[in-house]
Amino acid sequence: EVQLVESGGGLVQPGGSLRLSCAASGFTFSSHWMHWVRQVPGKGLVWVSRINSDGTTTTYADSVKGRFTISRDDAQNTVSLQMNNLRVEDTAMYFCVKGEPLDYWGQGTLVTVSS
Amino acid sequence: SYVLTQPPSVSVAPGKTASITCGGDNIEAKSVHWCQQKPGQAPLLVIYYDNDRPSGVPERFSGSNSGNTATLTINRVEAGDEADYYCQAWDIASDHWVFGGGTKLTVL
Repeated sequence: EVQLVESGGGLVQPGGSLRLSCAASGFTFSSHWMHWVRQVPGKGLVWVSRINSDGTTTTYADSVKGRFTISRDDAQNTVSLQMNNLRVEDTAMYFCVKGEPLDYWGQGTLVTVSS
Repeated sequence: SYVLTQPPSVSVAPGKTASITCGGDNIEAKSVHWCQQKPGQAPLLVIYYDNDRPSGVPERFSGSNSGNTATLTINRVEAGDEADYYCQAWDIASDHWVFGGGTKLTVL
């Protein structure tokens, strides 16, 4: 059974940093693209970033480029999202998602950016 | 950047057919995928590559993609189908994944 478990969310002040992690199991992690998608409560889904299976290719939404960094550790079956210079508008639930198409989703971790 | 447009809401009576559209410029040239999200839950993929169903998704769910519109069709709608539905596609020009704004399906 595919499982994706996010962690690392919380309350942070504007300009601060957070590192989200996603622990994956139930599939061959090193064979799949991984993504982060976010959702403001009550609003729609917004794609944030992706990383390819060997970690050599990363892509970012324009709204986070230069501030967020996605990475993966295939030995630990984890994918991470380092978020720097956080803004109030980054407040959202962040989902870790497997594959292309995006076929399995974690339950999400909530990030709140507020003073 | 590429834009996918969905109606905010669709209502349907139980047992009837629901059609949820996803509009985009020449969307037929892209592969469109659909996910379902119930309140408080993570999204669930229900259709991929226009009209394939993951295992466990009822045959009542189907998809099509032609011209500038992709469509998710749910036959014999049940109360349990009430959810938000999102279309998604990869835009090769921007190398970004794009989601539609989502459609809230209400079962009357």
